[in-house]
Amino acid sequence: GAGVSQSPSNKVTEKGKDVELRCDPISGHTALYWYRQRLGQGLEFLIYFQGNSAPDKSGLPSDRFSAERTGESVSTLTIQRTQQEDSAVYLCASSVPDRHEKLFFGSGTQLSVL
Amino acid sequence: QKEVEQNSGPLSVPEGAIASLNCTYSDRVSQSFFWYRQYSGKSPELIMSIYSNGDKEDGRFTAQLNKASQYVSLLIRDSQPSDSATYLCAAKLQGAQKLVFGQGTRLTINP
Repeated sequence: GAGVSQSPSNKVTEKGKDVELRCDPISGHTALYWYRQRLGQGLEFLIYFQGNSAPDKSGLPSDRFSAERTGESVSTLTIQRTQQEDSAVYLCASSVPDRHEKLFFGSGTQLSVL
Repeated sequence: QKEVEQNSGPLSVPEGAIASLNCTYSDRVSQSFFWYRQYSGKSPELIMSIYSNGDKEDGRFTAQLNKASQYVSLLIRDSQPSDSATYLCAAKLQGAQKLVFGQGTRLTINP
């Protein structure tokens, strides 16, 4: 596709349920990032994938959060036993190998935990 | 101290004036800095990058880096209502590829 695609665009869930968010990066972009943005706040780094290297998981806030990516394709971010504080926009971004600073963002998934 | 810090604003500037946005950073970031613009309800987009001390100009935008004082600025000349957005300062962490972002400054240009 032309850009980074994320689905769903909106997700409303009940506290305690698991959710799975999907990101389809731009073809050829080996780097993929997940960020979280709470209302009126900046971007909070969650996890970074680069090709087949071990991911940088240093930003995951708890063991309820996990993410996977197979090769240079789709990534999924899973949040188990969701809590109200997980409510935020989850943004995925990708970049080409030698331009890690130029991130192309998807339109995000707005997650609301009731 | 957070790696990258910004005044969250809001900052209001009259149309045609210069808007000045500031960002400070810690020793944990490398010397690569970036400004992203985020319109309300939209995703961030890269507008400027700066790697060396001094000024870098691109149209109405000027990025300034002062390594001695550890701050980065973005100046917008002849500001337009279409410049109204949240501006996010970002930097690479030392020894890592990931970008860390400040909390963003909300800028409003008043006609």
